[in-house]
Amino acid sequence: QKEVEQNSGPLSVPEGAIASLNCTYSDRVSQSFFWYRQYSGKSPELIMSIYSNGDKEDGRFTAQLNKASQYVSLLIRDSQPSDSATYLCAVILIYNFNKFYFGSGTKLNVKP
Amino acid sequence: EAQVTQNPRYLITVTGKKLTVTCSQNMNHEYMSWYRQDPGLGLRQIYYSMNVEATDKGDVPEGYKVSRKEKRNFPLILESPSPNQTSLYFCASKTTGTGYTGELFFGEGSRLTVL
Repeated sequence: QKEVEQNSGPLSVPEGAIASLNCTYSDRVSQSFFWYRQYSGKSPELIMSIYSNGDKEDGRFTAQLNKASQYVSLLIRDSQPSDSATYLCAVILIYNFNKFYFGSGTKLNVKP
Repeated sequence: EAQVTQNPRYLITVTGKKLTVTCSQNMNHEYMSWYRQDPGLGLRQIYYSMNVEATDKGDVPEGYKVSRKEKRNFPLILESPSPNQTSLYFCASKTTGTGYTGELFFGEGSRLTVL
């Protein structure tokens, strides 16, 4: 069973819309959660991290965590064509901060 | 400039020919790790290192070796490459200042093809 599941997409949204990316994880002792953005042919870069239930906002990005439902999401408001990329969800477990488990990523297309 | 540098960026080799992918970081990070990325499978951890002379297996260590003799370097060794090791490889590092620190800094990736 995969640790982290994401819909591979592609998710297509028009410019200016809200993009909603979702991630579920299987291990109830998952501790910390991360969203990485990866442009085609490039390396991943950290967008958001979230550790507690609820919402965390950073500019146009909001991460939402619901540990009871084992669900973390990323909302991108006012989506721009430059947001078109693959978004990777990652988790680390409470008993091993050294092992990162990545989802396979959701490809987002923002259409002008 | 803070960075993680991998070499080579692209490599085509043949089955059984030993190769090493180097990784170096200039941020004085304790933690370094290797991942492979395959379509539909995402990033999978191969090995990681908490510090010099401290390495441990990730989820897909078979066919790979690593060493950490210096803090800044963490080479990935394929003793006898096989076609199923054709992949995009990323080296990453982070500080271990706090237990929840999650920002991994990635190298630019090394695309390896084994014929």
